Parts: sequence; C-alpha cells; structure tokens
Amino acid sequence: EVQVVESGGGLVEPGRSVTLSCTTSGFTFGDYAFGWVRQAPGKGLEWVGCITSKAYGGTPGYAASVKGRFLISRDDSKSTAFLQMNSLKTEDTALYFCIRQIDRATLADWGQGTQVTVSP
Amino acid sequence: DIVMTQSPLSLSVIPGEPASISCRSSQSLLYSNGANYLDWYLQKPGQAPQLLIYLSFHRASGVPDRFSGSGSGTDFTLKISRVEAEDVGIYYCMQGLEIPRTFGPGTRLDIK
Repeated sequence: EVQVVESGGGLVEPGRSVTLSCTTSGFTFGDYAFGWVRQAPGKGLEWVGCITSKAYGGTPGYAASVKGRFLISRDDSKSTAFLQMNSLKTEDTALYFCIRQIDRATLADWGQGTQVTVSP
Repeated sequence: DIVMTQSPLSLSVIPGEPASISCRSSQSLLYSNGANYLDWYLQKPGQAPQLLIYLSFHRASGVPDRFSGSGSGTDFTLKISRVEAEDVGIYYCMQGLEIPRTFGPGTRLDIK
C-alpha cells in the first residue's frame, strides 16, 4: 500500500525557517517525482513546487510565490522528500500536502498534510 | 502562467441526477505526444484531495465509472452520470503542462 506522510509543521515566527518532511512507503521512492501543494485556511489549492526523479536530474521547480525562499530536495536512501521553507511570511500559513506524482505532473497519492502557521 | 477557470463555482444536485463541471485553460494543454495535461481532483470535506481523472479522461484507480472526463486543447469537462451523497466536496482541475502547475478555483458540489 502506498503511504505518504508529511511531518514537521507547527507554529513559526515570521522570518524564520522550517523544514517539512515527506516520508513514504509501499513503492520504489526513487522512481517517482514528488510535488508539494498548500491550502490556506478556507482557500483553494495552490501548487508550491515539485522535484523530478533522479533519472530526470532530481530537478526542482517552484511557484513564483515561493521561489528563492523555499527549497525542495529528496533523499532516495531514506524514501523521503523535503520542503525547506525560509524567510517565512504570514501568508505562508497553510496546510501543506506532499504528493507522489505519476506521468508528467499528475498528483496521484496525497498525504494528509501538515499545518504550518506563521505568526508573531 | 496558465490560468484555469471553472464553471459553475457551485452546484446543488439531486441524488441520482447528472452533474457537469467545465474547466478552461488560457492556453492549450495538448502536448506533442497527443496527451492533454489536465487532471481532476476531488476534495471531500475534511479530507486531502484525491485524484479522479488524469490526462483529460483516464479514470484513476478505484474511481467509480460514473465519473468521466473529456475535452482537448483548452476546454474540458468532468461529468458525473448519477450523483451520490459521497460525491459531495470541491472539484478542482489542474494543468500539468507547464511549471508552475495551476489549479482552477474549485467547484463546490452539494446535495439538494
């Protein structure tokens, strides 16, 4: 069974950093790309970024709203993806989902999300 | 960025009746391989989103066959042949052709 579990969220002050982890099981982690999507309270879905599999360079891509502040990485030996969030702003407050991708971009298997609240 | 729009933004459906949601993109989602990079997701109340339809018309594993997707280029449709109570939630389309990926605003479906 495919499992995707996010962790690392919490309450953080503006300007600080936090790193989210996405631990997985039930499939060969290295064969897949991973995406991050967030959802602010009462709002729709916002794509944050993604990282390709190592076969495609392990290349990250980002939304303009987070580019230069967020960093997506992966550790295939630990079947884990990461979202490092720097210079956090109050508008980064959201539930953050990690998703296993299939094909070019399809968000196939979603975790339950981890809440990040940015507040003084 | 590719802008995604959906209509209607909300709909109320009697159980057993059909429902249809439209999604339009600001540019064609047809790739050179012949695939349209348009997916549909459903977020049920209190849950994470789930994949319903990918590449315009492929039903994801475990998705009931009352759900179907169609369309090409810039115009896409999600149809539910007979709505059931468990179909309540917000439906999102998303383009996977270019980075940044972009979602539609969502369509809220409830039961009348």
